[in-house]
Parts: sequence; structure tokens; C-alpha cells
Amino acid sequence: ILNVEQSPQSLHVQEGDSTNFTCSFPSSNFYALHWYRWETAKSPEALFVMTLNGDEKKKGRISATLNTKEGYSYLYIKGSQPEDSATYLCAPFGGGADGLTFGKGTHLIIQP
Amino acid sequence: DSGVTQTPKHLITATGQRVTLRCSPRSGDLSVYWYQQSLDQGLQFLIQYYNGEERAKGNILERFSAQQFPDLHSELNLSSLELGDSALYFCASSNRGRSGTDTQYFGPGTRLTVL
Repeated sequence: ILNVEQSPQSLHVQEGDSTNFTCSFPSSNFYALHWYRWETAKSPEALFVMTLNGDEKKKGRISATLNTKEGYSYLYIKGSQPEDSATYLCAPFGGGADGLTFGKGTHLIIQP
Repeated sequence: DSGVTQTPKHLITATGQRVTLRCSPRSGDLSVYWYQQSLDQGLQFLIQYYNGEERAKGNILERFSAQQFPDLHSELNLSSLELGDSALYFCASSNRGRSGTDTQYFGPGTRLTVL
């Protein structure tokens, strides 16, 4: 089980602003990183699966980058909208037989 | 809607009892994963099955067991229930057995309350 940290724990952003947050994981034991979006009263929804150092993935206004050498990933949201309000979870995978380790998430609130 | 179904949606039971949670994966998916989300913890991986066989194991208690049937649906059995087992239990599925790189699709969850 990997040690994964997400920061900040929560974030209030004005509608229209861009924002980003971080997922940190051990660089010595890395195979893949997942990002999920979890809205209240719904189930987690997959955003990205990233494996290569320098990887950058994009889905609409949301993008993510990966640095496996230093053990972090950034998630960016451009021009935040109220529907972006959710908890964003990252989950690194170390290649073992113990599945994904989820971070506690960044709780994002978009204020109109 | 992810295509993963879980039943029941809610379950209320007493300490010491046994319950079974059911999950049907998306059509064509061979892997099923079980996760537990309790108030003070993040999403905790419990166990993965791929095409009927156990593939990976996480923080699953000995009182808990799971299986995947030939039609690929899965059941999570929780026995000798304790108050601390109250949680939201998610099932997820993916189309292969590679939990590290497969996209996992989550079901709506079963809310278990142990009184």
C-alpha cells in the first residue's frame, strides 16, 4: 500500500477562475496513476489513467500532468464551472497485488 | 450511469449478523473490484476478481469474503458484523485484469448500517 497525499484538502474557487491541485506519491515504486472525480451522492468517475513520466492528458477543461521522477501529479481545471464542484481523488498503483491506493481527495467548491 | 449495478442500495442490520452484497459488472468486463468507504477513511481497496479468480487483495478482513461467479457477477459476504463495518461499499469493474492501468467503472454503492 502506497503513501499518497493530496493537497489542498479543500479549495474554494470563484466561477470562471482556473485552479490546480496536487497528488504526491512515492517515486520509487510507481506503475500508474489514476484520477477520479466524485460528486456528492454519486459514485467515483474515472478521469485519467497515466503511466509515463511527462504524460499530459486532457478531457475538456480538465487536464493532468505526471512527474514520476519526483512523485507528483497535478490536476488543472480551466475556467471553473459550478458543475466542477466535487472531490477529486488520485490513486497511484505500485505494481503489486494490492490494488489502487486512493488519496483522501481534494474537495473543490466552485462559488458562483 | 457507469453500467455497473449493485444491490441492495441500502442495508440495515444488527451486530453479529451476516449480509451479502451483489455486483454486476459492465457488459464485457471481466474484472470486479470491491472497495469500502467509511467516514474516517478514504476509499479502501478490498479485493479484485478476474474471470472468476482472485487477482489482488487489499485490506480485507477475515470476516469478509468474496467470489465471482461464471456469469461474472460478484458477491461480497460480510459476517459477524460490527458497528465499525458500517460504510459505503462500492463495486467497480474493468475489461481486463490489469488493475493498475485499466480504467475502473464504479457502481452506485451499497450503504451498510450496522446497529
